[in-house]
Amino acid sequence: AQRVTQPEKLLSVFKGAPVELKCNYSYSGSPELFWYVQYSRQRLQLLLRHISRESIKGFTADLNKGETSFHLKKPFAQEEDSAMYYCALSEGSNYKLTFGKGTLLTVNP
Amino acid sequence: GAGVSQSPSNKVTEKGKDVELRCDPISGHTALYWYRQSLGQGLEFLIYFQGNSAPDKSGLPSDRFSAERTGESVSTLTIQRTQQEDSAVYLCASSLGPPGLGSYNEQFFGPGTRLTVL
Repeated sequence: AQRVTQPEKLLSVFKGAPVELKCNYSYSGSPELFWYVQYSRQRLQLLLRHISRESIKGFTADLNKGETSFHLKKPFAQEEDSAMYYCALSEGSNYKLTFGKGTLLTVNP
Repeated sequence: GAGVSQSPSNKVTEKGKDVELRCDPISGHTALYWYRQSLGQGLEFLIYFQGNSAPDKSGLPSDRFSAERTGESVSTLTIQRTQQEDSAVYLCASSLGPPGLGSYNEQFFGPGTRLTVL
């Protein structure tokens, strides 16, 4: 069965510092990986997916199949990045998502 | 246009009572998903609808949980004889198309229903 692990429940950095939110997964096939974000009092929304290989709000994530990781990175954190971040895995396109337990990122001024 | 809506936003009930949670997906979205977000457990998949049928119910935690969808639109998640461990935020999501197609269809989430079982 697939599993997504986010080892850090809480992560606190200062504004302008680099940030990396870790995500590891286990899945025997070829998964699709996603990062979802939930800002305070807002609904869960897609941040980025590995297939698109794009940078959203300065965030990037590279799928490392050898290490089964999909860490989310941003070189210079901003206060508005403070939110709950969830890594998620899908068995294929448009299928149910398996989520990690989330990392609460706080960016301090 | 309007996003996914859910009602009620909050529900407090007594242990043993039945509850119904409603989800209105984005118009034209044929796929609908229910997830549960509970403390310490993160987000868990419950059930998936394609049209009005549910090809994947594997996440429903017990036979007290059921869901239906009518008219390829509204879905209702019913929890019978609620227990305290059912307390959670229940999230609904919808996407444009079914699994397996070549193009990706993003899942759009509703605001959730916070269920508290006393």
